[in-house]
Amino acid sequence: EPEVTQTPSHQVTQMGQEVILRCVPISNHLYFYWYRQILGQKVEFLVSFYNNEISEKSEIFDDQFSVERPDGSNFTLKIRSTKLEDSAMYFCASSQTGGAHQPQHFGDGTRLSIL
Amino acid sequence: AQSVTQLGSHVSVSEGALVLLRCNYSSSVPPYLFWYVQYPNQGLQLLLKYTSAATLVKGINGFEAEFKKSETSFHLTKPSAHMSDAAEYFCAVSVGGGSNYKLTFGKGTLLTVNP
Repeated sequence: EPEVTQTPSHQVTQMGQEVILRCVPISNHLYFYWYRQILGQKVEFLVSFYNNEISEKSEIFDDQFSVERPDGSNFTLKIRSTKLEDSAMYFCASSQTGGAHQPQHFGDGTRLSIL
Repeated sequence: AQSVTQLGSHVSVSEGALVLLRCNYSSSVPPYLFWYVQYPNQGLQLLLKYTSAATLVKGINGFEAEFKKSETSFHLTKPSAHMSDAAEYFCAVSVGGGSNYKLTFGKGTLLTVNP
């Protein structure tokens, strides 16, 4: 069964450094998402992306965050200058369409640790 | 605003016993609801989804959920728990409009299965 893959599985970065989290969505999916889960808290929506532009972003997704689909397969999340509070598990997801009934398929996540 | 609430952050059952994980929703429009499971160190896996076709929804691994509009509930059940069911379970509602939806998650319920 096709799946969403994320790399790396664990990223350790110094505060203030830039980090790029990578995702390969399911190949025939058109809608892409990033979510994050701070330890002990609920999974939170960050951003959705369709047709090479952001569809929606949350309050969390400030100017330090950006997303990109640099080629036909990868979908990346960049944090320009990391802060301690960015430490979390980041999940990439994709869906065939953007409709309400469409399930989103998640990767295994990247655990980001900011020191 | 649409949201879900999961009652009980931790549920513990014996192997072979009934599993009941509670989820209540708040929505002014017919909701699209999902249950996801997260095994340790893994991503979110779709268990089942409610999209108004049938109120009793069957999912993977023997789980099912019943949509009850009168109770604004979408509780997840399994008749007989197995050790492999130990995981965290998330209820989610699809929020948005047009072809632009995101998932809003509950806080999750950790299921422990005792031998």
